[in-house]
Amino acid sequence: SQTIHQWPATLVQPVGSPLSLECTVEGTSNPNLYWYRQAAGRGLQLLFYSVGIGQISSEVPQNLSASRPQDRQFILSSKKLLLSDSGFYLCAWRGGPLRNNEQFFGPGTRLTVL
Amino acid sequence: GQQVMQIPQYQHVQEGEDFTTYCNSSTTLSNIQWYKQRPGGHPVFLIQLVKSGEVKKQKRLTFQFGEAKKNSSLHITATQTTDVGTYFCAGLGGSNYKLTFGKGTLLTVNP
Repeated sequence: SQTIHQWPATLVQPVGSPLSLECTVEGTSNPNLYWYRQAAGRGLQLLFYSVGIGQISSEVPQNLSASRPQDRQFILSSKKLLLSDSGFYLCAWRGGPLRNNEQFFGPGTRLTVL
Repeated sequence: GQQVMQIPQYQHVQEGEDFTTYCNSSTTLSNIQWYKQRPGGHPVFLIQLVKSGEVKKQKRLTFQFGEAKKNSSLHITATQTTDVGTYFCAGLGGSNYKLTFGKGTLLTVNP
């Protein structure tokens, strides 16, 4: 069965510090991978998606970047965090037509920038 | 770009009352999905609707997709405390790769 891992679960970082969040998927190959951010009490904002190794599409211009160095690994990074980067970061992979095209979300990382 | 509007933003009900959340897209959708996010958790897939006018049921939950494939609704009959959470609709439109999520409806249930 497929599983998706994210770490860390919670993170408190000072303004201006770098960020690296990792997401890995098991049990599937060549998945479409996604990074979302959810501000407190708000909806899901798509940040990046990737359809393959080294292929990244950015949805919202900001100080974040993403990379996909391996088929089942998706990394979200920042060189200098802003206060507005606080939020709940969710990684997701997408099942194909046989799985109703549903997105499977990881447990998320709660980031607080102080 | 594609926008998905969802109302209401919040809904508080007494246990046993019904609940409905509505979703409207600015463009025609190829399909629409519904997710539930429990407090402190991550979104979990509930269902996908693909056909115009489609209606699907899951126990007390009824999902509808409009004839024009631009709107959808989720209705819960006789809410229970276990129904508490945020319900999101998400539409798949022009891009086959990305879903556009509504802002969600937070449902709270008073026992």
